[in-house]
Amino acid sequence: QKEVEQNSGPLSVPEGAIASLNCTYSDRGSQSFFWYRQYSGKSPELIMSIYSNGDKEDGRFTAQLNKASQYVSLLIRDSQPSDSATYLCAVLRGNKLTFGTGTQLKVEL
Amino acid sequence: GAVVSQHPSRVICKSGTSVKIECRSLDFQATTMFWYRQFPKQSLMLMATSNEGSKATYEQGVEKDKFLINHASLTLSTLTVTSAHPEDSSFYICSAADGTRNYEQYFGPGTRLTVT
Repeated sequence: QKEVEQNSGPLSVPEGAIASLNCTYSDRGSQSFFWYRQYSGKSPELIMSIYSNGDKEDGRFTAQLNKASQYVSLLIRDSQPSDSATYLCAVLRGNKLTFGTGTQLKVEL
Repeated sequence: GAVVSQHPSRVICKSGTSVKIECRSLDFQATTMFWYRQFPKQSLMLMATSNEGSKATYEQGVEKDKFLINHASLTLSTLTVTSAHPEDSSFYICSAADGTRNYEQYFGPGTRLTVT
């Protein structure tokens, strides 16, 4: 079992729709959870962090965490073509960050 | 805030030579910096963790004598790829953890290394 699992996609959504990205993790001792966006050929950019169960909203992004189910998700509202990228889920334990393989999101006009 | 720079952005070198990559946190002090490697269409793989003033901790399978890491100050870490071979060609990315922001990691722009 991979430590952090994501569906590789691609996930295609029409412009203006809600994109839903999911992630599960295996280590119950994980403390913090992050979503990074990575454009092709670029390094990851932190877009959301979440530390406790529930929802956290920042602009068009909402992160959801359920530690009992070991599940993290990212919702992107009003998806734009510029949101097309690979979204990496990352889980922190101690000072080590473990990444999933990423979900490719395509927002279509 | 939380800007990390990396230099060079792209480097081509001949097999057998060494390459040094610099990583700097520009607007915060990073007690811990990390070096990752990413091959095409794969996720980031942690190579090593470096703490200012102490030896780096390498992940299993990463040769410490080949990938030399120095974390000389709270704002600078360097990765030297020694005796580079074509299979070392990859995208190398550093990150720095900000202790004032729950140790969130901020990534540098990456270095594309091509060994011919």
